[in-house]
Amino acid sequence: SQKIEQNSEALNIQEGKTATLTCNYTNYSPAYLQWYRQDPGRGPVFLLLIRENEKEKRKERLKVTFDTTLKQSLFHITASQPADSATYLCALVGDGSQGNLIFGKGTKLSVKP
Amino acid sequence: DTAVSQTPKYLVTQMGNDKSIKCEQNLGHDTMYWYKQDSKKFLKIMFSYNNKELIINETVPNRFSPKSPDKAHLNLHINSLELGDSAVYFCASGTGGGHQPQHFGDGTRLSIL
Repeated sequence: SQKIEQNSEALNIQEGKTATLTCNYTNYSPAYLQWYRQDPGRGPVFLLLIRENEKEKRKERLKVTFDTTLKQSLFHITASQPADSATYLCALVGDGSQGNLIFGKGTKLSVKP
Repeated sequence: DTAVSQTPKYLVTQMGNDKSIKCEQNLGHDTMYWYKQDSKKFLKIMFSYNNKELIINETVPNRFSPKSPDKAHLNLHINSLELGDSAVYFCASGTGGGHQPQHFGDGTRLSIL
């Protein structure tokens, strides 16, 4: 069955450093991969989408890569700030036409001042 | 204006009761979803629905039933609540397909006593 793994449950870094989060998947060849941010008590908020034919996508301080050979996506936050502290979820689109998302368990990022 | 809104935010009830959670979206999307986030923070699809098709995750008990009075609403009815139903339930909407983001509500935290 399709499986998504976000290797680190938690990641602690110092303010100003680059945070790198990893998402691996198996038994699947997705056409798209999405990243979401979730704050405590809130729903996930969409950040970035990357297509299988795109190696890299950027949005302000965020960068996502997609390696279909390694079956892996990396999510980077440069010049991290305490306000970036949250749980980050990667998601792949499941089978079928309605775009059901299959989520990883998330990585809780803490940025210390 | 809130794009995807759910009510109630908290729901505490006894085992065996029947309850409903309401969801409304004002984004004009054709597809709506229900996800369940368990105590381990794992977010899993339960249903997806557009005006033509309901897709049910096979692992969802038939005590759970979505009902859509119109395109902007997808309510979740739960019969004979069990202890294992305690979780946070998220409603989301989108245009369908994996190439577009989904927009999530802030969740309904259901606690079964």
